[in-house]
Amino acid sequence: KAGVTQTPRYLIKTRGQQVTLSCSPISGHRSVSWYQQTPGQGLQFLFEYFSETQRNKGNFPGRFSGRQFSNSRSEMNVSTLELGDSALYLCASRTGGAQSPLHFGNGTRLTVT
Amino acid sequence: DQQVKQNSPSLSVQEGRISILNCDYTNSMFDYFLWYKKYPAEGPTFLISISSIKDKNEDGRFTVFLNKSAKHLSLHIVPSQPGDSAVYFCAPYTNTGNQFYFGTGTSLTVIP
Repeated sequence: KAGVTQTPRYLIKTRGQQVTLSCSPISGHRSVSWYQQTPGQGLQFLFEYFSETQRNKGNFPGRFSGRQFSNSRSEMNVSTLELGDSALYLCASRTGGAQSPLHFGNGTRLTVT
Repeated sequence: DQQVKQNSPSLSVQEGRISILNCDYTNSMFDYFLWYKKYPAEGPTFLISISSIKDKNEDGRFTVFLNKSAKHLSLHIVPSQPGDSAVYFCAPYTNTGNQFYFGTGTSLTVIP
């Protein structure tokens, strides 16, 4: 089975621009979550989508948004980029059951200059 | 509000010895606990989990212990191998909030 695929792997953007990151989950997984990782901050939860609906949301400003398509693929969008948005963005999928683990992709490294 | 704490940012262990990684939490609603391993430039990899109805779970060289009264979780790796050198995250989950909470990680170095 193919794992979680994130594209692109690396991205450089300028302050004020917007960016869209893509995630293809493991086949059969209906839940997709997004996390931000910055040095010293661990993994911060952005949001989770399940069957095209946002099921949960972390404590991030409205500039961060996402969506999920009928094939479970997901996109995350960040508008009006700030320098502090530079981070590794990780996507994870799971079956969606109560006690099922997250399976992560290798992330997209976003650098905002 | 930091609900999950891994108080040791780093740990060094000799090859063949035991590695013990610790995790403390504050939320009594957590009912599923996971450990992840992360190598540089890769996403975290699921390692082992434990349900709140158990106090121990083993998988090969990896054992997770859960002490609910102390709200403490630990991961034991024995024997430690150089390939175990990575950052380890604990990630409790609450079905009520339907969310995983990650600690800040412990960087393990296994010295050959």
